[in-house]
Amino acid sequence: AAGVIQSPRHLIKEKRETATLKCYPIPRHDTVYWYQQGPGQDPQFLISFYEKMQSDKGSIPDRFSAQQFSDYHSELNMSSLELGDSALYFCASSLGRRGTGGEQYFGPGTRLTVT
Amino acid sequence: KQEVTQIPAALSVPEGENLVLNCSFTDSAIYNLQWFRQDPGKGLTSLLLIQSSQREQTSGRLNASLDKSSGRSTLYIAASQPGDSATYLCAVNSNYQLIWGAGTKLIIKP
Repeated sequence: AAGVIQSPRHLIKEKRETATLKCYPIPRHDTVYWYQQGPGQDPQFLISFYEKMQSDKGSIPDRFSAQQFSDYHSELNMSSLELGDSALYFCASSLGRRGTGGEQYFGPGTRLTVT
Repeated sequence: KQEVTQIPAALSVPEGENLVLNCSFTDSAIYNLQWFRQDPGKGLTSLLLIQSSQREQTSGRLNASLDKSSGRSTLYIAASQPGDSATYLCAVNSNYQLIWGAGTKLIIKP
C-alpha cells in the first residue's frame, strides 16, 4: 500500500539559509500535517492543511511557511535557518478533517541539520 | 490545554515478560488516541488507533485500552521480545492535532 512520501530524507544547511521540505500524502487523503521533533523530544505540531486550505496552526515559527497544492502535496518552507531548527520533520496525512477521527499516517521524516 | 503524560519514562525487562505502558491525558474531549513506536533516529510507526467511542483495540501481541472519562490509556505487550525494544509514544487527537507524550523507552533484554 502506498505510504506518505517525504523528500529529501536528509538535508544539511547553513545558518541563515533556506530549506524546502516536501510531502506527498497517501492517495485520496485530503489532510496533511507537519510535525517537528527535536533531539530527544516528542513531536510538536506545526501546521495542517485540509483541502488545500490551512486548517490549524501550532508552534510554527514566523520564519516558516507551508502550503498544500492542487495535487494535495505539501511543502514546508523554512527561511533564516537557525541551529535550533535542526530536527526531524514529519509529515502525516489522513482522510477527512472534522468529526471523523481520522488516523494519521506518518512519513519517514526529513532530518534537517543546520550548521 | 491538553497535556499528555507517559509513565514510566523508561522500562527494562527480560524477554518473555508481559508489560504495560501507561498514558494519561488531561482533557477527555478527544477524537482518538494513537500508540506509536519509534526506533532511535527513525520514523514513527503507528501501532494502534482507538477511537473515542471505543474501549480497546488489539493487534497481534499488542492490546491498547482507553478510558476516556478518567483520561487514561494503556498499551499491553504480551510475551515481549528483544525486537520490541524502542520508544513507545502515545498521541491524543485533540482539536484536530496530535498532542504527544514524551514516550516510554523500552528495553527488552535477551
